[in-house]
Amino acid sequence: QKEVEQNSGPLSVPEGAIASLNCTYSDRGSQSFFWYRQYSGKSPELIMSIYSNGDKEDGRFTAQLNKASQYVSLLIRDSQPSDSATYLCAERDSSYKLIFGSGTRLLVRP
Amino acid sequence: ETGVTQTPRHLVMGMTNKKSLKCEQHLGHNAMYWYKQSAKKPLELMFVYSLEERVENNSVPSRFSPECPNSSHLFLHLHTLQPEDSALYLCASSQGRGSSTDTQYFGPGTRLTVL
Repeated sequence: QKEVEQNSGPLSVPEGAIASLNCTYSDRGSQSFFWYRQYSGKSPELIMSIYSNGDKEDGRFTAQLNKASQYVSLLIRDSQPSDSATYLCAERDSSYKLIFGSGTRLLVRP
Repeated sequence: ETGVTQTPRHLVMGMTNKKSLKCEQHLGHNAMYWYKQSAKKPLELMFVYSLEERVENNSVPSRFSPECPNSSHLFLHLHTLQPEDSALYLCASSQGRGSSTDTQYFGPGTRLTVL
């Protein structure tokens, strides 16, 4: 059974701090990973995708992938109250299916 | 707002009703998906269509019946649902198989309540 594990949180950080969200996955064959942000009552919105080991930066967001450790993370620099949401980690398996974690709820305190 | 739209946004139905959810994508994608999102549970993939052909049916009860008349439209027909089917139903689309960077984009969802 392929699984994606995330700490449900909430992860609480002060405004301006770095928020670090983590995710582990079980399928060693997975090649593609995604972070989605979901505000309460809304649909998931793609934040970043990452396919290679290492870091990928996009504005205040950095995704990190370590395939050897089967670990993917999302760093949010200069966290804002508007970043408060649930962050979903997903892997795409060897076919086309996305497997999602349960999500980590992030709270950014003003 | 994304290039994927869903109607209705909210639906309340009785267990004996028949209703349909509609999804339309304006992204030129070839694959479309139905997901179910219940409280405190991960997104559950229900159905996948690629070029209008169903390629995945994730052990979904027959009271859910998908239809994909063309690559831009996807329906989910509902009949004799149970209260535990109450959830957020999300449609997504992507370029489809064969794309190494295939990425799914979600519609706004339909909040379904079964009484």
